[in-house]
Amino acid sequence: EVQLVESGGGLVQPGGSLRLSCVGSGFMFSNLWMSWVRQAPGKGLEWVANINQEGTKTNYVDSVRGRFTISRDNAKSSMYLQMSSLRVEDTALYYCASMDTSTVDDDYWGQGTLVTVSS
Amino acid sequence: QSVLTQSPSASGTPGQRVSISCSGRNSNIGTNYVSWYQQLPGTAPKLLISRDNQRPSGVPDRFSGSKSATSASLAISGLRSEDEAVYYCAVWDESLTGWVFGGGTDLTVL
Repeated sequence: EVQLVESGGGLVQPGGSLRLSCVGSGFMFSNLWMSWVRQAPGKGLEWVANINQEGTKTNYVDSVRGRFTISRDNAKSSMYLQMSSLRVEDTALYYCASMDTSTVDDDYWGQGTLVTVSS
Repeated sequence: QSVLTQSPSASGTPGQRVSISCSGRNSNIGTNYVSWYQQLPGTAPKLLISRDNQRPSGVPDRFSGSKSATSASLAISGLRSEDEAVYYCAVWDESLTGWVFGGGTDLTVL
């Protein structure tokens, strides 16, 4: 069974830091580009960042560039999102997803981990 | 304001065919493949259409995708009550160097 399981979310004060983790199983994690996608309460989907198969190429949405860092460890089938200088507007459910158009069937999403930035 | 434009809502009756549109630019839809996602209430998004018009395994053929120039569409035929969800288009944008999503279309089955 394919699974992506996120963890690390929680309540943090503005300006604080948090590290999200995502562990994949049941598929070839190392073969796929991986992304973080977030969804603010009651809002639509927003792509945050992605990383290539080897972990050598990364991309970020403008609003998080310089504050968030995406990384992966293929030996552990894991991906991470280090978030710093958090803002109230970063409050969202953060999904781990294998968005990769090189394959039609290997698009998997976790259930999300909630990050709340509030004083 | 999303880079990709979708109508906020759509509706149809059971058995009907509905179409959801997604308008973009040369730097995204005009250049790269469009994906469509279905998000049921309280759940993670699910891929319905990849590469403009290809269905992943297990997705019913009631769902179909098409693209022309800088616009794409998702069509749902034989509408069912369980199709009530929010539908998002998504595509890689070369100018932004990132994925962009439409604002989502909330489909109601009357």
